[in-house]
Amino acid sequence: NAGVMQNPRHLVRRRGQEARLRCSPMKGHSHVYWYRQLPEEGLKFMVYLQKENIIDESGMPKERFSAEFPKEGPSILRIQQVVRGDSAAYFCASSPNPGLQETQYFGPGTRLLVL
Amino acid sequence: GENVEQHPSTLSVQEGDSAVIKCTYSDSASNYFPWYKQELGKGPQLIIDIRSNVGEKKDQRIAVTLNKTAKHFSLHITETQPEDSAVYFCAANRINTPLVFGKGTRLSVIA
Repeated sequence: NAGVMQNPRHLVRRRGQEARLRCSPMKGHSHVYWYRQLPEEGLKFMVYLQKENIIDESGMPKERFSAEFPKEGPSILRIQQVVRGDSAAYFCASSPNPGLQETQYFGPGTRLLVL
Repeated sequence: GENVEQHPSTLSVQEGDSAVIKCTYSDSASNYFPWYKQELGKGPQLIIDIRSNVGEKKDQRIAVTLNKTAKHFSLHITETQPEDSAVYFCAANRINTPLVFGKGTRLSVIA
């Protein structure tokens, strides 16, 4: 059973461009969580999605950031008009069960660098 | 909201010695406390978790203790090995709220 997959692993964007980060959960998992990690910092929750639904987006900036988890295909975290402060590692995790206290299986992350 | 403090930020131990990492939390309603290990270039991996209905949980060389009164919990690794070297994160939450992570402890096990 393949683990959580994220791509790309590394992404370089210039200020003002768009970044699209993809996450394929483990087989059979229908719950996805996105986190951001700055250097030397812990993970900061961004959003929790189930298929076709956003359950909790309390950690997502109100502007420029959006997330989706369609019925078919990977979950997408989209950052529009990127700024240097968006440079970070973005991790997604998946779970087979609903909720925020279930075991979350993390992917390897996407490292975004904004020039 | 919840706030999690983690100490120390770095820890070096000799192979075979024990390592202890401590976390404090602020929300007395928090009832779930997982610990994650993150190796270089990889995503975090859950190594052990504890819920507030127990005070201690053990899995081979790893144990976690929880003191609800003092609002702190600790990770204990015994007989450390070089492959235990990694960054360890604690986290806490109450039901239906997102996990809040500590800033991490970089553990180095010296052979």
